[in-house]
Amino acid sequence: QLVLTQSPSASASLGASVKLTCTLSSGHSSYAIAWYQQQPEKGPRYLMKLNSDGSHSKGDGIPDRFSGSSSGAERYLTISSLQSEDEADYYCQTWATGGVFGGGTKLTVL
Amino acid sequence: EVQLVESGGGLVQPGGSRRLSCAASGFTFSTYWMHWVRQAPGKGLVWVSRIHSDGSSTNYADFVKGRFTISRDNAKNTVSLQMNSLRGEDTAVYYCARAGVKLGNLGPAFDYWGQGTLVTVSS
Repeated sequence: QLVLTQSPSASASLGASVKLTCTLSSGHSSYAIAWYQQQPEKGPRYLMKLNSDGSHSKGDGIPDRFSGSSSGAERYLTISSLQSEDEADYYCQTWATGGVFGGGTKLTVL
Repeated sequence: EVQLVESGGGLVQPGGSRRLSCAASGFTFSTYWMHWVRQAPGKGLVWVSRIHSDGSSTNYADFVKGRFTISRDNAKNTVSLQMNSLRGEDTAVYYCARAGVKLGNLGPAFDYWGQGTLVTVSS
C-alpha cells in the first residue's frame, strides 16, 4: 500500500533554512510527488513537482527560496531564508488509484 | 488569472444531502480533469473524487463511493459534487482543484485550488 510519511512538526528560525521530508513506502521509491503549502485558513498552494532523480518544476510565482531534492524513497522540500509567511502546513502528494497525501508537517518559524 | 470558487457548504443533518459547486475561470476549463479534496477540521488533506475533462469518466474514494456524485458543465465552467447520505465523518472543508500537473506516468498533481467550502454534518 502506498503511504507518504511526514513528520508532524518542524521549526526553524527566521532567516534560516529548513528541510522537510516526505518518505514513500516500500516499493514506491521511484514515485514522483508534489509539494503543497497551506497557510492558516487558506486553500493549499502548489509549490512544485519533484521527481525521483531530484529534478523539480515549480508552480507559478513560487520563490527561488523553495527547492526540492530526492534520495532513495525520500523527497525533500528545502526552504531557505525563512520568512514569517512560510509558517504553514506542508503536504506531499502522489497518485495511486486516487490521490494520496502525506499527513502534513506544521512548520513554525521562530 | 486562474480562479476556483466553491459554494454550497453549510449545516446538514446526518442522512441528508448537499450539493457543492465550483466555478472556474481564467483557463480553458473543458481541457482539464477536475478533483474534489476534503479536509476535516484540524486534519490533513484527503482526495475525494475526480472527473474527466469531458465528463466521460469519474472516480471516487472508497469512503464516498455510492453516496457522492461528481459532475461538470463545461458550458458553464462548473464542477459539482452531489453528496447524499451524509455522515458526521463527512464534516470537512471541501476544495475543488485543477489537475494541471502530471506526476510522470502515475497521475496528476493539483496546480490550482479554491478557498474551500465547509460542510458540517450534525443534528
